[in-house]
Amino acid sequence: GAGVSQTPSNKVTEKGKYVELRCDPISGHTALYWYRQSLGQGPEFLIYFQGTGAADDSGLPNDRFFAVRPEGSVSTLKIQRTERGDSAVYLCASSSKDNEQFFGPGTRLTVL
Amino acid sequence: DQQVKQNSPSLSVQEGRISILNCDYTNSMFDYFLWYKKYPAEGPTFLISISSIKDKNEDGRFTVFLNKSAKHLSLHIVPSQPGDSAVYFCAASARAGAGNMLTFGGGTRLMVKP
Repeated sequence: GAGVSQTPSNKVTEKGKYVELRCDPISGHTALYWYRQSLGQGPEFLIYFQGTGAADDSGLPNDRFFAVRPEGSVSTLKIQRTERGDSAVYLCASSSKDNEQFFGPGTRLTVL
Repeated sequence: DQQVKQNSPSLSVQEGRISILNCDYTNSMFDYFLWYKKYPAEGPTFLISISSIKDKNEDGRFTVFLNKSAKHLSLHIVPSQPGDSAVYFCAASARAGAGNMLTFGGGTRLMVKP
């Protein structure tokens, strides 16, 4: 069965540019999470969707970050005016029940 | 302010011996704890979990121990195998809250030598 997929696997962009990162969760999973993992650290929570709505966006670092999940399946994380400090691996996870979250392979974002 | 800490960044163990990975937390609202394993270029993979109503959970070679009074948990791998070499993350959640977002420790890199 298909797991969580994320595209692109790698993204290199220039400072100030706009990027979109995509997550395809496991089919039927209603909960979707975005995390960010900086080098040498554990993943940090960004935002959580239950269905189409962002139930908790308290982890988004600032208003340059935004995420959508318009049909309750695929989600897109959008970063405006990228900065070098945004460079990290962005992980997506989905879940159908409490606590067991299945992670995708991540998108490695590099901002030059 | 790190709410979940893994104080050992790395651990080296001989094949066949026991690996013990430790994790400390500060938030008393956490009531569910998980261990994830991560290989390079892959996402974290769920390994084992424990609810705060238990003090031990075992699954094959993997056992997680929880000491609530000390706010400490540990993962035991016995016997350790070279394929266990990976980065292990401890994570915690407060299930009473909405969303069950996970708070992760910084990870411990386990190296099992043949």
